[in-house]
Amino acid sequence: GESVGLHLPTLSVQEGDNSIINCAYSNSASDYFIWYKQESGKGPQFIIDIRSNMDKRQGQRVTVLLNKTVKHLSLQIAATQPGDSAVYFCAENRGSNYKLTFGKGTLLTVNP
Amino acid sequence: GAGVSQSPSNKVTEKGKDVELRCDPISGHTALYWYRQRLGQGLEFLIYFQGNSAPDKSGLPSDRFSAERTGESVSTLTIQRTQQEDSAVYLCASSLEARYEQYFGPGTRLTVT
Repeated sequence: GESVGLHLPTLSVQEGDNSIINCAYSNSASDYFIWYKQESGKGPQFIIDIRSNMDKRQGQRVTVLLNKTVKHLSLQIAATQPGDSAVYFCAENRGSNYKLTFGKGTLLTVNP
Repeated sequence: GAGVSQSPSNKVTEKGKDVELRCDPISGHTALYWYRQRLGQGLEFLIYFQGNSAPDKSGLPSDRFSAERTGESVSTLTIQRTQQEDSAVYLCASSLEARYEQYFGPGTRLTVT
């Protein structure tokens, strides 16, 4: 079936390293993608989004890359900090103008 | 400004009881969403409001679940005759318009015993 999934359920990095979190999607109708960060006991927090007419978008210490050919999305976090430790979700809109479909999430642990 | 707020933050109820969960969206946000998150899982879409209307209720798991929104503001999610499988965190989000990024509340953790 169609789904949004993640290659790695957990990722452990050293403080200061760069982190890359990957996400695969299967619905070619998706034209909007978002990355959310969820800390323990909190709701998801918007990080960055990208539309399908773009390949790359940069924010503060974060970059999202979209490869539509292989239906792959990645989130790069530069100089990872302990405060970046959280579960990261990718989500897609599957052509909808409101409904987001979320993946299972990747747990990022940053070691000091 | 104030973010999305939800109440209660935690709710423990006995199987068979009804529960009502409340969401206060960001002021001026026309779109409002409810999601369910089971332990260790991603978010499941439940329902979407545009204004006070719910054009998409397709994610509601059963007819025990209902939601309403009034004054293009507060929304309540009601679960009747709760079952143990209803135990989850229920998250509310709002956005300025349907296509804009969704801002989430902290969620209500529901435990059905």
